[in-house]
Amino acid sequence: EDQVTQSPEALRLQEGESSSLNCSYTVSGLRGLFWYRQDPGKGPEFLFTLYSAGEEKEKERLKATLTKKESFLHITAPKPEDSATYLCAHRPGGGATNKLIFGTGTLLAVQP
Amino acid sequence: DTGVSQDPRHKITKRGQNVTFRCDPISEHNRLYWYRQTLGQGPEFLTYFQNEAQLEKSRLLSDRFSAERPKGSFSTLEIQRTEQGDSAMYLCAGTGPQGPSTGELFFGEGSRLTVL
Repeated sequence: EDQVTQSPEALRLQEGESSSLNCSYTVSGLRGLFWYRQDPGKGPEFLFTLYSAGEEKEKERLKATLTKKESFLHITAPKPEDSATYLCAHRPGGGATNKLIFGTGTLLAVQP
Repeated sequence: DTGVSQDPRHKITKRGQNVTFRCDPISEHNRLYWYRQTLGQGPEFLTYFQNEAQLEKSRLLSDRFSAERPKGSFSTLEIQRTEQGDSAMYLCAGTGPQGPSTGELFFGEGSRLTVL
């Protein structure tokens, strides 16, 4: 069964302490790996799309990368405002489905 | 602001009652999704519309759940005979024709349901 697994479940960083979040996938025929940010009590906010191994996308302090088995969200010199839950998702291959399947997320807390 | 509004933001109901949620995307969003999210979990797919046509529905969705999108604009999600297990955040997302491919969905702020 196609699925994405995120780790760690929670991560606490000091401001300026760089780290990475992981999203591993067992998906046949990947049709996109997506990253979202979700603040408490809000809907998810789209960040990145990755389609093929080796691809990278950047936005401010965030960089997403993709290999054949996993994706990483690298956070460089994080600030307290980067605190949020980060979700990865994929669109299942095979068939004509348009749904996105989300992981359980990584809760990131950045302390000043 | 994604332009997707949901109403009500919070709903408290007693078990057995019916509830309805409304989602208003922007006019460019001809694709619309409903998701459900419980604490500590990622959003769980419920259903997908392309214009007014409901093209996909989760097999996990019981018959108590029904969704409509008349005229391809706003959408409603109704839950009949609510159960305590229905307590969750119900999220609506709109997107354009390329949205399913790019994965860029525009979520509303959600409707939080509490069933007592």
